[in-house]
Amino acid sequence: AQKITQTQPGMFVQEKEAVTLDCTYDTSDQSYGLFWYKQPSSGEMIFLIYQGSYDEQNATEGRYSLNFQKARKSANLVISASQLGDSAMYFCAMREGAKDKIIFGKGTRLHILP
Amino acid sequence: EPEVTQTPSHQVTQMGQEVILRCVPISNHLYFYWYRQILGQKVEFLVSFYNNEISEKSEIFDDQFSVERPDGSNFTLKIRSTKLEDSAMYFCASSSPSGNTDTQYFGPGTRLTVL
Repeated sequence: AQKITQTQPGMFVQEKEAVTLDCTYDTSDQSYGLFWYKQPSSGEMIFLIYQGSYDEQNATEGRYSLNFQKARKSANLVISASQLGDSAMYFCAMREGAKDKIIFGKGTRLHILP
Repeated sequence: EPEVTQTPSHQVTQMGQEVILRCVPISNHLYFYWYRQILGQKVEFLVSFYNNEISEKSEIFDDQFSVERPDGSNFTLKIRSTKLEDSAMYFCASSSPSGNTDTQYFGPGTRLTVL
C-alpha cells in the first residue's frame, strides 16, 4: 500500500486564486511528521511546511497552510493568493515514528496561469 | 540563511566508473541524508548518517554505495561502479531535531548521468 498518496498528477489554477493540493497518508505509528516540499523546474527541493501528528493547530507559513485532518489521514496543502512563481512540482512526505527516512508521494505538478 | 550545498551540480561518468558526490550540510546539523530521484519519479531515501555511522539505509543502498564524513563539514556519497540505472538526481539533506520538528533541508542536488 502507498504510504503517501497524491491523487492530482497535475493542476491548472488561475493566478491569485487559492489552491488546495491533496495528500493522504497511511501509517500505524502514533507519532509522525508530515511535510510539503516544492520542486521548481530548476530541480532543487524546497521545504515549505511541517505538521507534527501531535500538533493541535494546523501549521501555517506565510501563504502556505496545512489542512491537517488526523481522523481522515489527510494533510492537504493550501496556497492562498497563488503567484506565477508557485508553478512547480509539490511533494507531500511523511516521517514515521523514530525512523530517519522521509517517504515521498509522487507529487502534483501545479501550473499557475496568468 | 544557512543552506545545504552540493557539488558538482552535474556529473557525467562512464558505466563502471567510481563517482563521489559531495555535500556540505548546514553547520549545526547532526543528521545527514542522501536521497535520489530518477527522472520523472518520486524521491527515494538512500541512507541516513549520525554520529559518524549509518543509522538507517534502504534496500537501494547496496554494497556499491558508501557514505563518509571525512572532516567536520563535508558529507560524501560514493558509488563504486556506476550502472546506467544509477542515473538520477542525488539530494543531500540535513536536520537537527529539536522539539517536535526535525525538518530535513535539502541541497540543490547533483544530477548524475551514467553513459
